Amino acid sequence: GAVVSQHPSWVICKSGTSVKIECRSLDFQATTMFWYRQFPKQSLMLMATSNEGSKATYEQGVEKDKFLINHASLTLSTLTVTSAHPEDSSFYICSAIRDSIWGEPQHFGDGTRLSIL
Amino acid sequence: SQELEQSPQSLIVQEGKNLTINCTSSKTLYGLYWYKQKYGEGLIFLMMLQKGGEEKSHEKITAKLDEKKQQSSLHITASQPSHAGIYLCGAPLSGGGSEKLVFGKGTKLTVNP
Repeated sequence: GAVVSQHPSWVICKSGTSVKIECRSLDFQATTMFWYRQFPKQSLMLMATSNEGSKATYEQGVEKDKFLINHASLTLSTLTVTSAHPEDSSFYICSAIRDSIWGEPQHFGDGTRLSIL
Repeated sequence: SQELEQSPQSLIVQEGKNLTINCTSSKTLYGLYWYKQKYGEGLIFLMMLQKGGEEKSHEKITAKLDEKKQQSSLHITASQPSHAGIYLCGAPLSGGGSEKLVFGKGTKLTVNP
């Protein structure tokens, strides 16, 4: 149980385009989802916390207008990288929590590798 | 801000050998999660430790939490090539009760057959 699916797994697109990444909890309802960014040989960097039906909470230094997050249902959160540029190229990973109880582990998707030309 | 330092950064062992990975926090630990990541993929949840002195085992992997030292260790016994990957520790942000996690940079494990 606790499977999280992330799509697409790999995206290559031209500079200036917008890219949408989906994160789905397949066998549970996720009250909270998280979006991370990971650079090579670096730790996961939390970008934002997404709660169903409310606005996402962004971490300091993350541009809200650049990284749009929508958590429309208890099983789906989307991250849209708007007007993407080469510096946005990275590995993006989402995670979901089954219940909002302390100690519940985050379950991760397989990540999306984004390359902006 | 809380930081997690993992050591070693990378580790190469011969199949069958035991190994230990450490995760040290700059602040009080209110719990500790261990994950495994294969390059370019997501994280697989391994274990969660919630209180000082706690020790958990799953197959050949054992994790301990030393609250006083603000440290956790992950020990693999009789390593196998399937254990290869990047091991990351994650901890709830300061104050506990937070769903947000801060992660270490990971330890890359290579197991040679």
